[in-house]
Amino acid sequence: DSGVTQTPKHLITATGQRVTLRCSPRSGDLSVYWYQQSLDQGLQFLIQYYNGEERAKGNILERFSAQQFPDLHSELNLSSLELGDSALYFCASSPEGTSVNTQYFGPGTRLTVL
Amino acid sequence: GNSVTQMEGPVTLSEEAFLTINCTYTATGYPSLFWYVQYPGEGLQLLLKATKADDKGSNKGFEATYRKETTSFHLEKGSVQVSDSAVYFCALSDKRTYKYIFGTGTRLKVLA
Repeated sequence: DSGVTQTPKHLITATGQRVTLRCSPRSGDLSVYWYQQSLDQGLQFLIQYYNGEERAKGNILERFSAQQFPDLHSELNLSSLELGDSALYFCASSPEGTSVNTQYFGPGTRLTVL
Repeated sequence: GNSVTQMEGPVTLSEEAFLTINCTYTATGYPSLFWYVQYPGEGLQLLLKATKADDKGSNKGFEATYRKETTSFHLEKGSVQVSDSAVYFCALSDKRTYKYIFGTGTRLKVLA
């Protein structure tokens, strides 16, 4: 158990809909990262937050947005969903906003868009 | 830009065989390098890391050495077990931009 929790575990929705994925980092970790894992694209870095502020941005679509709240939990919002958004979404946390820190991954949220 | 290239799988080995999974990287500066492992149905977890040239990371019998000259970070294990069956990801972290970049993953299957 990494100490990172993600809810829900599974999510099934329809095209055009909007969903919110939630992540609670390990106690004391200030950084949260979001990743998308699909069969054809591998593991893609989406975005990083550090202590409530956006720190780095990866291949995140404009239809996707994220935020980190004062209690350090984070939410990833996916809107106008398309079939191709079906994937595993992982959240990871690390103690500080530096690159050498280990990332601790949650169990993931499996999103299925029908 | 930065990138990570790792050998394509799947890699199928017999128990107690020697394992090498190749990883090379392209980066400006000197990134930190990592190997993560993903067991079936789970999230990724750190296997080992190295933060500067010539550092050797090791854990659970796995080793990898940060080679600046060849821009490589190959993963090795002398004797694999069935329980090592998983997907292995090489990754780098840019010390300036904080971005992580993962390789595509290499699936390892170890047969008893």
